[in-house]
Amino acid sequence: ETGVTQSPTHLIKTRGQQVTLRCSSQSGHNTVSWYQQALGQGPQFIFQYYREEENGRGNFPPRFSGLQFPNYSSELNVNALELDDSALYLCASSTQTGGLGNTIYFGEGSWLTVV
Amino acid sequence: QKEVEQNSGPLSVPEGAIASLNCTYSDRVSQSFFWYRQYSGKSPELIMSIYSNGDKEDGRFTAQLNKASQYVSLLIRDSQPSDSATYLCAVTFTGGFKTIFGAGTRLFVKA
Repeated sequence: ETGVTQSPTHLIKTRGQQVTLRCSSQSGHNTVSWYQQALGQGPQFIFQYYREEENGRGNFPPRFSGLQFPNYSSELNVNALELDDSALYLCASSTQTGGLGNTIYFGEGSWLTVV
Repeated sequence: QKEVEQNSGPLSVPEGAIASLNCTYSDRVSQSFFWYRQYSGKSPELIMSIYSNGDKEDGRFTAQLNKASQYVSLLIRDSQPSDSATYLCAVTFTGGFKTIFGAGTRLFVKA
């Protein structure tokens, strides 16, 4: 139990639709990172939010966007869904944006299926 | 070249044996190293972190770091069937803000 909560846990969307995934970070954690994990692969970094600003981004198109709120919770939005977006979306929180000892803790994830 | 590489496996060991999982990382200034365990259908959970060269032990788990060889490993002693999972190696680099993951090694412990 990491204290990181995500919703919804499972959802099915149609190609072209939009989806919003939500995350509440662990108490005391001000940084949230989002990852995409396709079947059989490791988590791929999407972006990170720190103090309500995007702090860094991986190799994902602009239709992947996010928000962080004053209470450090976060949303991941994906527009114009494609079949390849089907994956486990993981939210991870941490106490800092990087540096020695920075450890990220994952929520249970949101399973997205695009049909 | 991928930044963090792991043998995808599967690695199969008998119950009670030592399982050895390996990870190499790219030629950059590295800082923090982590091992996560991921059961099928679940999210990754942190097992261990290591920051300095040498060994770090926690119960049945030992992490080994060799920065000169750009190599980090995880040893699981007295392997149990409940250890069957995918083990993810993760690295953060100096000046970096993100944690980078390998593709994971699947471990099967046979009863």
